[in-house]
Amino acid sequence: QVQLVESGGGVVQPGRSLRLSCAASGFTFSTYGMHWVRQAPGKGLEWVAFIWYDESNKYYGDSVKGRFTISRDNSKNMFHLQMNSLRAEDTAVYYCARVAGFAEPLTVWGQGTLVTVSS
Amino acid sequence: SYELTQPPSVSVSPGQTASITCSGNDLGGKFAHWYQQKPGQSPVLVIYQDTKRPSGIPERFSGSNSGNTATLTISGTQGMDEADYYCQAWDSNTVWVFGGGTKLTVL
Repeated sequence: QVQLVESGGGVVQPGRSLRLSCAASGFTFSTYGMHWVRQAPGKGLEWVAFIWYDESNKYYGDSVKGRFTISRDNSKNMFHLQMNSLRAEDTAVYYCARVAGFAEPLTVWGQGTLVTVSS
Repeated sequence: SYELTQPPSVSVSPGQTASITCSGNDLGGKFAHWYQQKPGQSPVLVIYQDTKRPSGIPERFSGSNSGNTATLTISGTQGMDEADYYCQAWDSNTVWVFGGGTKLTVL
């Protein structure tokens, strides 16, 4: 079945880096755009980053621009979020999600991975 | 930047109709999508492109979008519908944006 599985979360000190991964299965990964969306404890959903199916377009939310980098490896059905210069306010559950087009809905979501930025 | 505004909470009695609004500048000119999130779970798409229901979503969920407001309507609300609901749209300048979320209480 269609599935997204995140990994790479954990506890990290402020200013350090962390790399999240999302493994896709059950669909033709190379034909879909992919998002990272996060949710701070007790808060709402916040869009983080997007990568188009062929990496031709990458977009970032204002709060992470210049610090986070999204990438993908279609040969391995995986995509990643490299998070640098982490801040306490980056603490959140990070979800990966699939999308068919820019204005299309996020139809499939992973279970999320928790990132805690704390000294 | 583009913003979507939702009421923080909505309460409804079982069997009644719940309406959750989402407001944004000229939102009617964009596609609005709605997600349901229960505690400890990932979001689930319940309405897409303003009015469409994904496979497996009960018919009691419906949506509309006109002017500056999109509305998610749940008819004959059941206890299992108690959850947080988020609207979402794509804007060419701000790209992807979520509303702040609405906690639906069924009491």
